[in-house]
Amino acid sequence: SYELTQPPSVSVSPGQTATITCAGDALSKQYAYWYQEKPGQAPILVMYKDNKRPSGIPERFSGSSSGTTVTLTISGVQAEDEADYYCQTADRSGSAVVFGGGTKLTVL
Amino acid sequence: QMQLVQSGAEVKKPGASVKVSCKASGYTFTGYYIHWVRQAPGQGLEWMGWINPNSGGTNYAQKFQGRVTMTRDTSISTAYMEFNRLRFDDTAVYYCARSGIEYYSDYWGQGTLVTVSS
Repeated sequence: SYELTQPPSVSVSPGQTATITCAGDALSKQYAYWYQEKPGQAPILVMYKDNKRPSGIPERFSGSSSGTTVTLTISGVQAEDEADYYCQTADRSGSAVVFGGGTKLTVL
Repeated sequence: QMQLVQSGAEVKKPGASVKVSCKASGYTFTGYYIHWVRQAPGQGLEWMGWINPNSGGTNYAQKFQGRVTMTRDTSISTAYMEFNRLRFDDTAVYYCARSGIEYYSDYWGQGTLVTVSS
């Protein structure tokens, strides 16, 4: 089965920059997507097609891609950004969805 | 206003089946896939499969094939996920979510807690 690998946790102080990585072979051929999930709430899409920001997502969220790794960057982190973040892509056939294991972002 | 509204929480015994509904409104139901994603307590998101409401075609994650069935009723813009032979470790929040052909979900239902308990 196909896998996406994320760090389990990332910690930053308010105002600093948080970077969350996601690695997987299919990312060299498939777009990545990122979701933010807060306790008790459904996930929210925060990035699509590697680096496109949906309407309503703050500009401090950005995405990038290099080879088999994609990165979600949050500049000037705010307390409200504390959440779990999941990357997602499709498998090589493009017909099935794969999620990374998730990264817990802690704002110190 | 685009919405996906799911049915309420369920408690089932091991070996039983559960059927969760997801009613769509605010958009053309047959124009988007419906995915089902689950999240066990303290765990990550796990994709279960999708249904194409237009054709009724489905694609299930290998892990769930044989136990899950996704259907839809276009007359009432509702998708269903039936999960059979429930086990204790199937206790989770089950989400439906909408996507286009690129399989990323821009709208999610509120989630349905399914508890498997004896």
